[in-house]
Amino acid sequence: GENVEQHPSTLSVQEGDSAVIKCTYSDSASNYFPWYKQELGKRPQLIIDIRSNVGEKKDQRIAVTLNKTAKHFSLHITETQPEDSAVYFCAAGGGGGNKLTFGTGTQLKVEL
Amino acid sequence: DTAVSQTPKYLVTQMGNDKSIKCEQNLGHDTMYWYKQDSKKFLKIMFSYNNKELIINETVPNRFSPKSPDKAHLNLHINSLELGDSAVYFCAIGTGGYEQYFGPGTRLTVT
Repeated sequence: GENVEQHPSTLSVQEGDSAVIKCTYSDSASNYFPWYKQELGKRPQLIIDIRSNVGEKKDQRIAVTLNKTAKHFSLHITETQPEDSAVYFCAAGGGGGNKLTFGTGTQLKVEL
Repeated sequence: DTAVSQTPKYLVTQMGNDKSIKCEQNLGHDTMYWYKQDSKKFLKIMFSYNNKELIINETVPNRFSPKSPDKAHLNLHINSLELGDSAVYFCAIGTGGYEQYFGPGTRLTVT
């Protein structure tokens, strides 16, 4: 089955700096890679996703890149703000069934 | 958050009890999921149903039994609750392709 690894587990940045979270996956059949943001006590919310026919996707301050050959994808947040503080999860899907396999999460803290 | 609702929001119970968590969606999508999020925040899929049919069962103890009475509901029944069952349980719906939309979660505490 699919295995998704996510790094780092915690990330602390100063407000205005950039943050990068990286994930690797094992199943070459996976073709859908979403990122979820989970604020404390809330549900995970989809913030951006990318499919395997695209190498990069941007939405305002967030962007995701995908390297299918190396089987890794990354989340980039620019000009971080305190409200970006949350746990971020990557996931991979499409290898079989309507199933997503999640990474272990990254606790992002944006400090003033 | 009314697209996917879960009841109850909090559930505190003793070891050995049997409890149920309910999930309802009003978007008309066919696929629903149950996830468990433990104290370390790991999100693990437990079950997936498509149009009332079980699709995914991820080696979950048979004390856990999902039931889908209709396309809009996917309930989770847990027998003989154990301390290790304490977690937040999320229901999710598949909104098309592989995209998933999560419910608000149910925090289960077993004492």
